Amino acid sequence: GQQVMQIPQYQHVQEGEDFTTYCNSSTTLSNIQWYKQRPGGHPVFLIQLVKSGEVKKQKRLTFQFGEAKKNSSLHITATQTTDVGTYFCAPSEGAQKLVFGQGTRLTINP
Amino acid sequence: NAGVTQTPKFQVLKTGQSMTLQCAQDMNHEYMSWYRQDPGMGLRLIHYSVGAGITDQGEVPNGYNVSRSTTEDFPLRLLSAAPSQTSVYFCASSPGWIYEQYFGPGTRLTVT
Repeated sequence: GQQVMQIPQYQHVQEGEDFTTYCNSSTTLSNIQWYKQRPGGHPVFLIQLVKSGEVKKQKRLTFQFGEAKKNSSLHITATQTTDVGTYFCAPSEGAQKLVFGQGTRLTINP
Repeated sequence: NAGVTQTPKFQVLKTGQSMTLQCAQDMNHEYMSWYRQDPGMGLRLIHYSVGAGITDQGEVPNGYNVSRSTTEDFPLRLLSAAPSQTSVYFCASSPGWIYEQYFGPGTRLTVT
């Protein structure tokens, strides 16, 4: 079955610092989605990556899909307190089910 | 549109009791799924459905049953609750498994 590892599990930064979370798979992925969950909330879709080497940006967020389609990253530039939450990757490999990574919990010191 | 709705928001059960967590969506989505979320464990897929009348198991299906008689509804049944089922349960829907998933607000379940 699909094995996904998301690192780090926790990250604490000072406001204004950058943040990166990584999602690594043991198998080649069809695509990968990223979600954000605010404390006490539900996961909310951020983006989907489909192509090898794809890079997408949303304001201060940059998403990358590896050339081999086995890993992905989310980078936040100059974090703000509104970025607090847990970030999940959700890779799929063609099995009609979406399995989530364990998530990276981001906390920020203002 | 209400999106994805879940009831109840909170529930406390005694070990051995049964209950059904309700999930409904008004977006005419074919794909629906149930996840549980435990601290440090992320979201784990329990069951999913690719359309009315079709369901399949996810990563952690034991102790849970589902059915999908309509496109709109996807209830999750706990036949005999156990303390290990204490968790937050999320229902999600989408046009298909490769598309953006829309999550409900969750049900916080405690089994004593």
